Amino acid sequence: KNEVEQSPQNLTAQEGEFITINCSYSVGISALHWLQQHPGGGIVSLFMLSSGKKKHGRLIATINIQEKHSSLHITASHPRDSAVYICAVRTKAAGNKLTFGGGTRVLVKP
Amino acid sequence: SAVISQKPSRDICQRGTSLTIQCQVDSQVTMMFWYRQQPGQSLTLIATANQGSEATYESGFVIDKFPISRPNLTFSTLTVSNMSPEDSSIYLCSVVRTSGRAEEQYFGPGTRLTVT
Repeated sequence: KNEVEQSPQNLTAQEGEFITINCSYSVGISALHWLQQHPGGGIVSLFMLSSGKKKHGRLIATINIQEKHSSLHITASHPRDSAVYICAVRTKAAGNKLTFGGGTRVLVKP
Repeated sequence: SAVISQKPSRDICQRGTSLTIQCQVDSQVTMMFWYRQQPGQSLTLIATANQGSEATYESGFVIDKFPISRPNLTFSTLTVSNMSPEDSSIYLCSVVRTSGRAEEQYFGPGTRLTVT
């Protein structure tokens, strides 16, 4: 069974600060997702990674397959970035189902 | 991307009643899933909705409590039966679409259910 650990659980930043959220997993994966959940509950898929690095706007996601670790970075953070960020991994052994981390609650203050 | 809509977006229901949640996708998808997110918790997979056959349920979830239908490749329903306050959660529909070799997973906006 794949264990997915996120850190930190909670993060408060001032507007403009650089934010990093970490995700570690225990078993080899076929893909890793970073998801964003706003207070209303809906989930948006930010990135799907199997290797390397992806960038979209102010968001950057990296993954190190050997170390079983991924990071999500938010540059020049803004109050609208306040949300819960969830790491989820897909493994073939689990029938390609997602295993979710516990989430990181991010609050960006103006 | 896949556009997913869910109905209702939220509801407040009385104990003992049932609620059916609908999930509609704007294009045909390979797989459809139903998740539950209890307050303060991460997502838990309830079942995989199979087109034209019975859903595949995860451990701890049973068809009598969470009957699921998937009559075609773009639509599914989840019913929460005989509700109790413990069923208060966000219920999310999720789909996987295959494009070439790539598989992308998308999530719906969720249905926030409160049982009183």
